[in-house]
Amino acid sequence: SYVLTQPPSVSVAPGKAAKITCGADNIGRESVHWYQQQPGQAPILVISNDSDRPSGIPERFSGSNSGNTATLAISRVEAGDEAEYYCQVWETSTEHWLFGGGTKLTVL
Amino acid sequence: EVHLLESGGGLVQPGGSLRLSCAASGFTFIDYAMTWVRQAPGKGLEWVSTITGSGTGTCYADSVKGRFTISRDNSKNTLFLQMNSLRAEDTAVFYCAGGYSRSSEFVYWGRGILVTVSS
Repeated sequence: SYVLTQPPSVSVAPGKAAKITCGADNIGRESVHWYQQQPGQAPILVISNDSDRPSGIPERFSGSNSGNTATLAISRVEAGDEAEYYCQVWETSTEHWLFGGGTKLTVL
Repeated sequence: EVHLLESGGGLVQPGGSLRLSCAASGFTFIDYAMTWVRQAPGKGLEWVSTITGSGTGTCYADSVKGRFTISRDNSKNTLFLQMNSLRAEDTAVFYCAGGYSRSSEFVYWGRGILVTVSS
């Protein structure tokens, strides 16, 4: 079955850029969504359809998707960006939603 | 302002049943597909089930198919999840979420409700 692979953790210094990847066979053919989950809180959508930013999400958040890797990029990282990030894909063949395992972003 | 409020969680014995509800407000409920997502303690997000806006289409994760039933009452803006034959591994925070269609991203999320399956 289709599996979305994320690195368990990414660390970045404040003010620097962070990239979180989501890997799968030909994921570039799919629409990838990204969610941020702060500790003890519900997830929120930060990127939809590979690179669309919902209203209220800072421009520092961006997304891309090509080949076997989708990427969530966060520029000028702030302490408040420290959270778990999940990628998501709709698997049309099975009509199932898939989530990646999540990546813990730590701001040093 | 959009609100999704889950209720009905709690402690249940293995093999038991529980019915979750999710009350929606602040958006046109019938226009949105609704989904249940769960998160076991210390683990990642797991999709459980999705229902179309009209309620005529449903899909389930393999881990819950045959045990859980998703439904909705559009006259009351409420989403349900009937959970039967519960197992210890069903212990999780359950979130309801809403999207434009069953294959669209989840734009709205509730705060979640804890379900604990234990003897």
